[in-house]
Amino acid sequence: NAGVTQTPKFQVLKTGQSMTLQCAQDMNHEYMSWYRQDPGMGLRLIHYSVGAGITDQGEVPNGYNVSRSTTEDFPLRLLSAAPSQTSVYFCASSYGEGGGNTIYFGEGSWLTVV
Amino acid sequence: GQQVMQIPQYQHVQEGEDFTTYCNSSTTLSNIQWYKQRPGGHPVFLIQLVKSGEVKKQKRLTFQFGEAKKNSSLHITATQTTDVGTYFCAARGQNFVFGPGTRLSVLP
Repeated sequence: NAGVTQTPKFQVLKTGQSMTLQCAQDMNHEYMSWYRQDPGMGLRLIHYSVGAGITDQGEVPNGYNVSRSTTEDFPLRLLSAAPSQTSVYFCASSYGEGGGNTIYFGEGSWLTVV
Repeated sequence: GQQVMQIPQYQHVQEGEDFTTYCNSSTTLSNIQWYKQRPGGHPVFLIQLVKSGEVKKQKRLTFQFGEAKKNSSLHITATQTTDVGTYFCAARGQNFVFGPGTRLSVLP
């Protein structure tokens, strides 16, 4: 039981490049989400999904796309990387929506955009 | 919109001293969760509080939910170097929102 697995752990991008952060969970959780963490800002929700085929925007969705083709996988795509997207990204999953359900986080992806 | 604040932002304590962080919401909450993130790590769930005035303990950690369900606190008795990290509250009101966290450093 690996929990929530996200890759890559570290990535450096040039401005304008695109990339995908991968996330997979093996706990059969319906709810998955992506957060970004910046100093002093806590965790801000980018996108979330309540089940396969369903996604929705969070607090800071601009510049990011997601898809949920299976229960297990929830990739995050940066369409055209900008320096403002330099951050630590966490994928998370839970049985249901946050609040009332324990959220399990991946180990994080450190992204630098130069 | 719903806002969640935490104070203090940073706290430096000597090992053995107590530590308290406070979480305050602008709206009444259904429940509140607390998470701990070690330096370089990911947030890990600690506890959930649901009832007004609820108090829960985990060894040296005491969690409390306010009577009005708009605030919460986490108190650590006799801190140890293993307590180092950032403590986040996550509050369910209209939305589910993480607070900005309190970073605790413990000097040996």
